Amino acid sequence: GDSVTQMEGPVTLSEEAFLTINCTYTATGYPSLFWYVQYPGEGLQLLLKATKADDKGSNKGFEATYRKETTSFHLEKGSVQVSDSAVYFCALQNQAGTALIFGKGTTLSVSS
Amino acid sequence: DTGVSQDPRHKITKRGQNVTFRCDPISEHNRLYWYRQTLGQGPEFLTYFQNEAQLEKSRLLSDRFSAERPKGSFSTLEIQRTEQGDSAMYLCASSQARPGELFFGEGSRLTVL
Repeated sequence: GDSVTQMEGPVTLSEEAFLTINCTYTATGYPSLFWYVQYPGEGLQLLLKATKADDKGSNKGFEATYRKETTSFHLEKGSVQVSDSAVYFCALQNQAGTALIFGKGTTLSVSS
Repeated sequence: DTGVSQDPRHKITKRGQNVTFRCDPISEHNRLYWYRQTLGQGPEFLTYFQNEAQLEKSRLLSDRFSAERPKGSFSTLEIQRTEQGDSAMYLCASSQARPGELFFGEGSRLTVL
């Protein structure tokens, strides 16, 4: 079945460091791909998305590119801030377009 | 837009008791989802409604679980004869037609003693 695999955390960085969180997926057809973020004490919220191969999603300085050849959707940010500390979830939605399938999440901790 | 609200935020119950969670979605959203999340895991899909119709159920949703969405507005998730393995955060989300843009509530945490 469809699945998402994320790099395990926690990821601990200093402010202004470069961030990469790896995400790979297994799915039939052409799924849509997403990154969700959960800040401490808050609900999950959509960070960015890409709906077809080679699309780049971006938001709040974060980027991810839908790579069908490597079945990947890695999250990157050039310079992280303390306020980026959160749990990040990679997710896919298959072509039927119903439920999202989430990875296990990666905790990011940024220190000043 | 007041967001997705869930009630109660935390429920502690004894094994064997029944519990019910309520979700109020964003008013113009016709799709509503229930997920379960345990510590260190991502959200796991339970069930999905489009308006009042329950269109998909995960195999995780045993016969002790039932969900309803009368009149296509709020939804309830009931767990009968709770077990310790039911302890988790139960998340509700709603969306319109655009793919994957789910709006999540803050969740209802269930602790079964």
